[in-house]
Amino acid sequence: DIVVTQSPLSLPVTPGEPASISCRSSQSLLHRNGDTFLAWYLQKPGQSPQVLIYLASNRASGVPDRFSGSGSGTDFTLKISRVEAEDVGVYYCMQALQTPYSFGQGTKLEIK
Amino acid sequence: EVQLMESGGDLVQPGGSLRLSCAASGFTFSNFWMHWVRQAPGKGLVWVARLNQDGRVINYADSVKGRFTISRDNAKGTLFLQMSSLRVEDTALYYCAKDLSGRHDSWGQGTLVTVSS
Repeated sequence: DIVVTQSPLSLPVTPGEPASISCRSSQSLLHRNGDTFLAWYLQKPGQSPQVLIYLASNRASGVPDRFSGSGSGTDFTLKISRVEAEDVGVYYCMQALQTPYSFGQGTKLEIK
Repeated sequence: EVQLMESGGDLVQPGGSLRLSCAASGFTFSNFWMHWVRQAPGKGLVWVARLNQDGRVINYADSVKGRFTISRDNAKGTLFLQMSSLRVEDTALYYCAKDLSGRHDSWGQGTLVTVSS
């Protein structure tokens, strides 16, 4: 099974400042078709998760362009260029290369 | 607008059974893989199961294999999760999610399953 590890687990950020979350997988998430099956989700307080980034670097519909995903193979990063108050919540990465799909532990972003 | 509405969560004793449903609307249900994902109180997300468009390709997490059964009724636009031999550790909010190219692009609001004596 693929293990996915996130860091940090807690991320206090000042509004307007950038933020970065790391995600590492125990094996490459590159599919033979050339796609990399890594997605990022945000779960805001009291809400269901929502997808932010898919296939490692593609922004989902309606997601502000201050969110970006990068990385390849086993190392990935979610970046927020300028954090806003509405960005608070828990961020998860998830590998969808093979079952069982696996999520990272989650990174709780809070506003300083 | 895509909508997923879970139901069926309840308080059940260890060893008991429960059937969850997820009613889908706003998209052609029969065209998409569907998933169940759960979240224990205060904990992270855990993938549970998925099945393909016609219900013939199914995968489970090891923790539920042999106890849970995922299925679908494309005519009614509904996803199911039959849960048996329930354990205390199965207590969680259960979400259904629509799959699009390896991502869960739509999620329901969840239904709460509590396993306790």
